[in-house]
Amino acid sequence: GEDVEQSLFLSVREGDSSVINCTYTDSSSTYLYWYKQEPGAGLQLLTYIFSNMDMKQDQRLTVLLNKKDKHLSLRIADTQTGDSAIYFCAESLRAVDTDKLIFGTGTRLQVFP
Amino acid sequence: GAVVSQHPSWVICKSGTSVKIECRSLDFQATTMFWYRQFPKQSLMLMATSNEGSKATYEQGVEKDKFLINHASLTLSTLTVTSAHPEDSSFYICSARDHPRGTEAFFGQGTRLTVV
Repeated sequence: GEDVEQSLFLSVREGDSSVINCTYTDSSSTYLYWYKQEPGAGLQLLTYIFSNMDMKQDQRLTVLLNKKDKHLSLRIADTQTGDSAIYFCAESLRAVDTDKLIFGTGTRLQVFP
Repeated sequence: GAVVSQHPSWVICKSGTSVKIECRSLDFQATTMFWYRQFPKQSLMLMATSNEGSKATYEQGVEKDKFLINHASLTLSTLTVTSAHPEDSSFYICSARDHPRGTEAFFGQGTRLTVV
């Protein structure tokens, strides 16, 4: 299957850490991604992780991958009001002649002062 | 990162007319382009994948005669919504990659289509 699930909403205080979770169903996914979408805009790639990795850190962002449980998480340290947006995880599925991105349901992150 | 430009950003059209949305890769050659549709407060649903010079591959449930995709060059793909109806109103987003199996796909800013 191609279902990618996320919790719908997360609210955190400015300065705290945010953790956004994602579960996917296709174990053959090669790459897993986190995208950010601000209102009325396209998607911005935040980071991605190869399926044979457990963790990847990039400045304030930490991605954890549990391939056994098909669970992906994004931790944002020192969350700022500018981080308020919708966050999508996505998995890259191998199709016949291309890899296609399947997106999760999205998590709306709200940061309050 | 690479830039993908989508045009128009928004469009309003009358029911029964056709609308064309363009997606251009500005500083790289887009071997593969994807078209997504996003309903309010929902996720992106993949509509179709197109490789340059080939026919688009549509996802299950997407009408290929209604959503015409042309990827005639390495920098341009178009999505034409034919005989649009109010239920076609949505946010359409394109994405481009410089290789069919690359690690990163770059997204356009999206087109909001409203059919009245």
